[in-house]
Amino acid sequence: DGGITQSPKYLFRKEGQNVTLSCEQNLNHDAMYWYRQDPGQGLRLIYYSQIVNDFQKGDIAEGYSVSREKKESFPLTVTSAQKNPTAFYLCASSIEGGALTEAFFGQGTRLTVV
Amino acid sequence: AQKITQTQPGMFVQEKEAVTLDCTYDTSDQSYGLFWYKQPSSGEMIFLIYQGSYDEQNATEGRYSLNFQKARKSANLVISASQLGDSAMYFCAMREGQVSGTYKYIFGTGTRLKVLA
Repeated sequence: DGGITQSPKYLFRKEGQNVTLSCEQNLNHDAMYWYRQDPGQGLRLIYYSQIVNDFQKGDIAEGYSVSREKKESFPLTVTSAQKNPTAFYLCASSIEGGALTEAFFGQGTRLTVV
Repeated sequence: AQKITQTQPGMFVQEKEAVTLDCTYDTSDQSYGLFWYKQPSSGEMIFLIYQGSYDEQNATEGRYSLNFQKARKSANLVISASQLGDSAMYFCAMREGQVSGTYKYIFGTGTRLKVLA
């Protein structure tokens, strides 16, 4: 079955550590996105990529980094520079930008700083 | 600037009744898509319904319909015959990028719906 897989489902990070969240899709989508969701709030865009080897900052990119070396994969690194990383992270993908179609989401990763 | 506004943080509805969740948007693009997603407590995002800016008919998907009023820039979700399983967070979203050339989805802050037995 086609879909988006995020791993791990739960992640604990110590202060000062970098952690990487995985996102893989087999939908053959060009565009991929990372969103952050805080309790009771909406989704805020961290980074997005419309094509392999290219990505753009979203609204809250500070303290995060991404790579897009393969069409299927869009990992997100939460660096030690992110002062408040505890949140729910959602990865999404969609058909290329000109098509006004829905985004497909992974199951999410819940990151907690301990 | 592109923006999605959901003014209802929480809503209650009696089982089997209809409920309307409000969504207004702002964009300078002529071509855009409007979406509604459901997020249960598990956290997954479930796509419900889509409306294109050029669609003249309101979108419908089973018990879900989208009341699209382009002049007012509103895209309200109507859920008919509410069920207990409809209790969840609901997000309105928009995708556009014709002017900027960078297509992305922006989301509202959501409405938490509770269906009462």
